[in-house]
Amino acid sequence: DAKTTQPNSMESNEEEPVHLPCNHSTISGTDYIHWYRQLPSQGPEYVIHGLTSNVNNRMASLAIAEDRKSSTLILHRATLRDAAVYYCILRGRDDKIIFGKGTRLHILP
Amino acid sequence: SAVISQKPSRDICQRGTSLTIQCQVDSQVTMMFWYRQQPGQSLTLIATANQGSEATYESGFVIDKFPISRPNLTFSTLTVSNMSPEDSSIYLCSVSPQAGNEQFFGPGTRLTVL
Repeated sequence: DAKTTQPNSMESNEEEPVHLPCNHSTISGTDYIHWYRQLPSQGPEYVIHGLTSNVNNRMASLAIAEDRKSSTLILHRATLRDAAVYYCILRGRDDKIIFGKGTRLHILP
Repeated sequence: SAVISQKPSRDICQRGTSLTIQCQVDSQVTMMFWYRQQPGQSLTLIATANQGSEATYESGFVIDKFPISRPNLTFSTLTVSNMSPEDSSIYLCSVSPQAGNEQFFGPGTRLTVL
């Protein structure tokens, strides 16, 4: 499985945008970039996914580099409820989701 | 979307015993997965539960220790056999209703082995 690299932790102030980076230099042409998050004491939840073009949904935006070797999850206005571990995952043809260590996001009030 | 329930939600078991965890989905799904999350760690994929055939296990997990059943497209069980304290974890069921798209996770079963 292609590997992703994320910072272990990040901090952001409440009501400010957050940019969570992810490197995936060994991504293959058929891999989708998925983001999930895990709130404290809960199972993971889907955030967003994309292949080549930038994507927006009600939760976040996903900016994908032109060479697809990196991507950035953007939370436009962080709230305290966004404090979670965020996982960047490459999903290939086998459809399996393999979790890395993720980025623990702390939101400061 | 898919709503997943798991039973039991938590259990405390004695070393050497076995526990079967049930996963029920509110719609038919092709892909069903079992994960383990040890304290303070990320999730680790145990196996893919295949309907009508044997589960596909990830490296480090074997059928004798984690037998899985998948009798239909809405239900699966994971058994943790001959438990030891190292098996204390949260076990999560997950489904992918549509290949490549959103994957849904159950609430998890918190297992403590004494």
